[in-house]
Amino acid sequence: GENVEQHPSTLSVQEGDSAVIKCTYSDSASNYFPWYKQELGKGPQLIIDIRSNVGEKKDQRIAVTLNKTAKHFSLHITETQPEDSAVYFCAALETGANNLFFGTGTRLTVIP
Amino acid sequence: NAGVTQTPKFRILKIGQSMTLQCAQDMNHNYMYWYRQDPGMGLKLIYYSVGAGITDKGEVPNGYNVSRSTTEDFPLRLELAAPSQTSVYFCATALGTEAFFGQGTRLTVV
Repeated sequence: GENVEQHPSTLSVQEGDSAVIKCTYSDSASNYFPWYKQELGKGPQLIIDIRSNVGEKKDQRIAVTLNKTAKHFSLHITETQPEDSAVYFCAALETGANNLFFGTGTRLTVIP
Repeated sequence: NAGVTQTPKFRILKIGQSMTLQCAQDMNHNYMYWYRQDPGMGLKLIYYSVGAGITDKGEVPNGYNVSRSTTEDFPLRLELAAPSQTSVYFCATALGTEAFFGQGTRLTVV
């Protein structure tokens, strides 16, 4: 099955700075890569996703980039705010089945 | 719409006891999933279902069972609870590729 690795496991940034989280995947046939945000005591929520036919996607302060050749994708958060503090998970969709394989998560702390 | 509803939110079990974690959805999604989340380990897929009457094993199915008699419900059964099953369990549904998660059930086996 798909194997997704995520780094770093923890990240602290000053409010207003940028944050970058990186993931790699193993299955070159995977074609869908979502990012989820999990706040304390809640289930993960989709914040942005990217498909393999696109190299970059932006949604306000959040962007995701994908390098299919290198099999890695990244989440970029600009102008971070305290409410961005959460655990972020990357995932890759297993081809053939509709199953997501998740990275181990990054705990982002935005310091006011 | 309630979305994905999990019950209970918390539970403490003794070793060897059994229980069922409930998951109900009102979004009419065909795909449903059970994940467990352990600290520093991300989410691991236990079982999934592509529609009523169809279930299949994920990455970590041992010690669990599921059923899917209706589109709405996807219960997860633990027959003989073990300390290794202490975890937070999430149910999710999917329409196409986007997954929607419940609030989770925190289970402790002592």
